Formats: sequence, structure tokens, C-alpha cells
Amino acid sequence: AQSVAQPEDQVNVAEGNPLTVKCTYSVSGNPYLFWYVQYPNRGLQFLLKYITGDNLVKGSYGFEAEFNKSQTSFHLKKPSALVSDSALYFCAVSGPSGSARQLTFGSGTQLTVLP
Amino acid sequence: ETGVTQTPRHLVMGMTNKKSLKCEQHLGHNAMYWYKQSAKKPLELMFVYNFKEQTENNSVPSRFSPECPNSSHLFLHLHTLQPEDSALYLCASSQERRVDYEQYFGPGTRLTVT
Repeated sequence: AQSVAQPEDQVNVAEGNPLTVKCTYSVSGNPYLFWYVQYPNRGLQFLLKYITGDNLVKGSYGFEAEFNKSQTSFHLKKPSALVSDSALYFCAVSGPSGSARQLTFGSGTQLTVLP
Repeated sequence: ETGVTQTPRHLVMGMTNKKSLKCEQHLGHNAMYWYKQSAKKPLELMFVYNFKEQTENNSVPSRFSPECPNSSHLFLHLHTLQPEDSALYLCASSQERRVDYEQYFGPGTRLTVT
């Protein structure tokens, strides 16, 4: 069975500082990995994905994530945080085929950027 | 932001009521999804439709009944719900039912069962 772990329920960072939101996964075969963000009273918005190719993936709003196969991680990063980045972030994983066709979401990390 | 719309945004219903949630996507996608989001829990996939055909039902109780009349519209019919069914119900769509395609979500319907 595939799974996703977001080990931190809450991450606080000062505006202008770099931010990291952690994600580790478990899946059979090569993973498809996604990050989504949810602002209050809104649905999830797609940020970026890793399917294949370059391990460093760049996405919306200046976010990027690095796929690390040996550590089974896909951490979300941004060089300089903005107060407007405060939101709930979800990591998700799927396997490429068979019974792992569903997207499995983590439980989310609440990011708060302090002014 | 207006790619996937959901109505109503908030719904309070008693355990004996019947209500329906509506989702519409304006993205030309062929796959649509219903998810349940409860506090502090991962999103739970409920149903998947691909080209109007239901392809997945993740052991959802029969008090939830989906309907997909065309590729743009998705409904979730609710009847005799339980208080534990209170949650945010999210609709999503993707170009096709493929896990390498990102999904686009609506704003959700906040359901409270009293």
C-alpha cells in the first residue's frame, strides 16, 4: 500500500526566510508526486508535480520541490517566504499503475509566515 | 478560480433529510472526483467518474449516491446521513483519469449533519 507522511502539523517561519515543508512517501515502483495548497475556505490548488526527469521541480508562486529517491522524500521549498504563503499544504503520491492508481494525500502541514 | 464550481457552499441538514451537492467544471476535463475532507485527516477519495462512467467507489456507504450526467457535471445525493458525515466535500476534475495528471479542485461544500 502506498502512503505519505507529513511529519510536521505546523511550520512557522519569518517573512523573508527560506521555508521547507517536509514530505516522505512509500509506494511500489516509481512515484508520481504532487504538492497542493489550500487557502482558507478554498479548494486545493495544484502547485507542482514530479513525474520523471529532473529531480528539482519548479512550480507556481516561486515554490520548488526536490525528489530524493534514496530518502523517499519530496520536500517543498521556497527561498523567501511571504505572509501570503500562509496556508495548508498537502503532499500526495501515486504509483504508476495497477492498484496504486489512486492519489494518496498526506494529512497536511499548516504553514504560517510571520510578518 | 472559477474552473470548478460547487453549490451550495454551506449546507446544514438533519439526519432524515435528502439533499444534493452539485459540481460543475468549465475546463473541458473528462474525469471528475468526489473527496471528503475531515479535520486533521488526509483527503478521502469517494468516487471517480471517467467519461461519465463511474470507475471507482471507495467503499462509500450507500447513503451517498453520485450522479454524473455529463463530463461537466457531477452530483452527490445525500440521504439519512450521520453526524460523522459532517465534513468538507470537495469536487475535482482532471483531463483524464490518469494519476500523472494534476487535479483541479472546487471550493468545497461545508456539510453539517445535525
